[in-house]
Amino acid sequence: GIQVEQSPPDLILQEGANSTLRCNFSDSVNNLQWFHQNPWGQLINLFYIPSGTKQNGRLSATTVATERYSLLYISSSQTTDSGVYFCAVHDMNRDDKIIFGKGTRLHILP
Amino acid sequence: EAQVTQNPRYLITVTGKKLTVTCSQNMNHEYMSWYRQDPGLGLRQIYYSMNVEVTDKGDVPEGYKVSRKEKRNFPLILESPSPNQTSLYFCASSSGSSGYNEQFFGPGTRLTVL
Repeated sequence: GIQVEQSPPDLILQEGANSTLRCNFSDSVNNLQWFHQNPWGQLINLFYIPSGTKQNGRLSATTVATERYSLLYISSSQTTDSGVYFCAVHDMNRDDKIIFGKGTRLHILP
Repeated sequence: EAQVTQNPRYLITVTGKKLTVTCSQNMNHEYMSWYRQDPGLGLRQIYYSMNVEVTDKGDVPEGYKVSRKEKRNFPLILESPSPNQTSLYFCASSSGSSGYNEQFFGPGTRLTVL
């Protein structure tokens, strides 16, 4: 089945810094989502982005499906951005399973 | 408000005592799914359903059952829970009968099996 790898696994930044999180996948996908899991465990939808670029405030995402990766950009980080960021893809070749990466844990220092 | 709800949010139980975690969505979504989240392993899909009376196994279905008698509800059943099922569980739904549309997640159920 499809492999989803996220990097880096952990990231510690000072408030105000910018960051780029990466999601690589090993096969074709027709669904890719980015989520933020806050310290209370809630999973918050950030982007549904099978291809192209989207922006929402300080966050933006780009998926290059042909090269099998997606990037999540966070600009001017705030302490509330702390948490774990996951990407998830739909495995076209395994019925309709959804596969998550293991996440990037982001810690923003005040 | 469009949402996915789960109950209970927290549960502590003992080995072998059957339990059900309910999941309901009010968005008329066809696709529903259950995940478990464990430290270091991320989220793994347990079961999914593409529509009423249609369910299929995800990556970690052992020890779980599901049913989809109505479009809005997708309960997760642990007939004989064991300590290795201690985990954080999420229910999700999306429109369409496939997994390729945007998924919306419930708030999670933290289960401890003693």
